[in-house]
Amino acid sequence: RKEVEQDPGPFNVPEGATVAFNCTYSNSASQSFFWYRQDCRKEPKLLMSVYSSGNEDGRFTAQLNRASQYISLLIRDSKLSDSATYLCVVNLSGGGADGLTFGKGTHLIIQP
Amino acid sequence: DTGVSQNPRHKITKRGQNVTFRCDPISEHNRLYWYRQTLGQGPEFLTYFQNEAQLEKSRLLSDRFSAERPKGSFSTLEIQRTEQGDSAMYLCASSFPRTGNEKLFFGSGTQLSVL
Repeated sequence: RKEVEQDPGPFNVPEGATVAFNCTYSNSASQSFFWYRQDCRKEPKLLMSVYSSGNEDGRFTAQLNRASQYISLLIRDSKLSDSATYLCVVNLSGGGADGLTFGKGTHLIIQP
Repeated sequence: DTGVSQNPRHKITKRGQNVTFRCDPISEHNRLYWYRQTLGQGPEFLTYFQNEAQLEKSRLLSDRFSAERPKGSFSTLEIQRTEQGDSAMYLCASSFPRTGNEKLFFGSGTQLSVL
C-alpha cells in the first residue's frame, strides 16, 4: 500500500458545484495532516491543517477519519480560481520532519 | 519580501557538472527543508536542518548530494557530477514548529535541467 495516496484526477467540475476528494494514509499512528494547494509551475502553499474534530475555513472543509485512515477536502461553491493541484500531507512518523509525506496530488479543474 | 527565497530560479547544466542552489528561509524559522519534485509527483523529502544541524537525510540523497546551513540561516544544496535523472524542481521550505505542527512555507524552487 502506498504511504499517502490520492486520486490524481483530473476532476472536472462546473463552477458553483461542490467537490470532494480523499487521501488515504498507511500509518495509523500518524498525528499531523494537512492540505496544500499547488498552482501550475508554482510552489505548494498551505491551504489548511486537518484537525481530529474536522475544521472549516470559508468554502473549504477538511475532515479526518482515523478508523479508515483517510482525510478529505470538500470545496463548496467552487470558483474558477480553485483550479489547482491539491496535495495531501501526512506526518507518517508521528514526529520527525522526514515523516512529512506528500501525496502525488489531485488535479482539480473548475469549468465556467 | 519576507518569504522563502531560492536562487537561481532555473539552472541548465551539462551532465557531469556540479551545481549549487541557495535557499534563504523566513528569518525567524529555525527549520529548513529541501524537497525534490518531478512532474506529476508530490514533493519528496531530501533533508532538513534545525538551526545549523542537519538532522534527517532521506535515502534519496545519494553521496553526490550535500547540503549545508553553516550559520543556521541560509542553506545551500550542492549536486556533484549531475545526472539526467537529477532534473527536477528543488524546493526549499522553512517552518517554526509549535507543538509538533509542521506548517511549511515553500520557496518558488529551482528548476534544474541536466542535458
